[in-house]
Amino acid sequence: DTGVSQDPRHKITKRGQNVTFRCDPISEHNRLYWYRQTLGQGPEFLTYFQNEAQLEKSRLLSDRFSAERPKGSFSTLEIQRTEQGDSAMYLCASSLVWILGQEFNEQFFGPGTRLTVL
Amino acid sequence: QQPVQSPQAVILREGEDAVINCSSSKALYSVHWYRQKHGEAPVFLMILLKGGEQKGHDKISASFNEKKQQSSLYLTASQLSYSGTYFCGTERSGGSNYKLTFGKGTLLTVNP
Repeated sequence: DTGVSQDPRHKITKRGQNVTFRCDPISEHNRLYWYRQTLGQGPEFLTYFQNEAQLEKSRLLSDRFSAERPKGSFSTLEIQRTEQGDSAMYLCASSLVWILGQEFNEQFFGPGTRLTVL
Repeated sequence: QQPVQSPQAVILREGEDAVINCSSSKALYSVHWYRQKHGEAPVFLMILLKGGEQKGHDKISASFNEKKQQSSLYLTASQLSYSGTYFCGTERSGGSNYKLTFGKGTLLTVNP
């Protein structure tokens, strides 16, 4: 396992369609994050999981967005009824919070899924 | 609140030094630095926890002034491979959620 992987890398869809993205974190990492990045901006937090529990969602995340992490392994991010404003790079990151009693939060990012909504 | 990075862009010749700053209006627990090349994912550089420590590896180092809620990234004797956009991500003090709030980035270009 060499890092966080995301699938697909690119997705082009028509407005109103549903899309689903997948993220596979580094295997021993227990935290998983979703971010969105638009051109010229830094990544923007969407939501995160510790193991299978979704602990926080951004207030910017509309009801059209949902994320899951069954069994605390891979995660999926679904966008329903896509809008042109959803076009962005969707980044997944993972981290291992505790190692031998010491807290870490280095977040390692995947290559991202670039979504284009026509 | 989004941290503020400065400068927005900097152009260097190979071998020159640069400093990138990141400041927040909120009390911080940690500052994370990343470098992102065009079309690629952000790559983790280092994390600094409150306490004013300074970290570094190779020719890249960083400091964190907890009282001023500021962090600086120092790149010395820059190499062509240092080109990219540098982001600071901040984790607020008192929070237990570990989410990062990123600045808008500093575009660093290193020319031969």
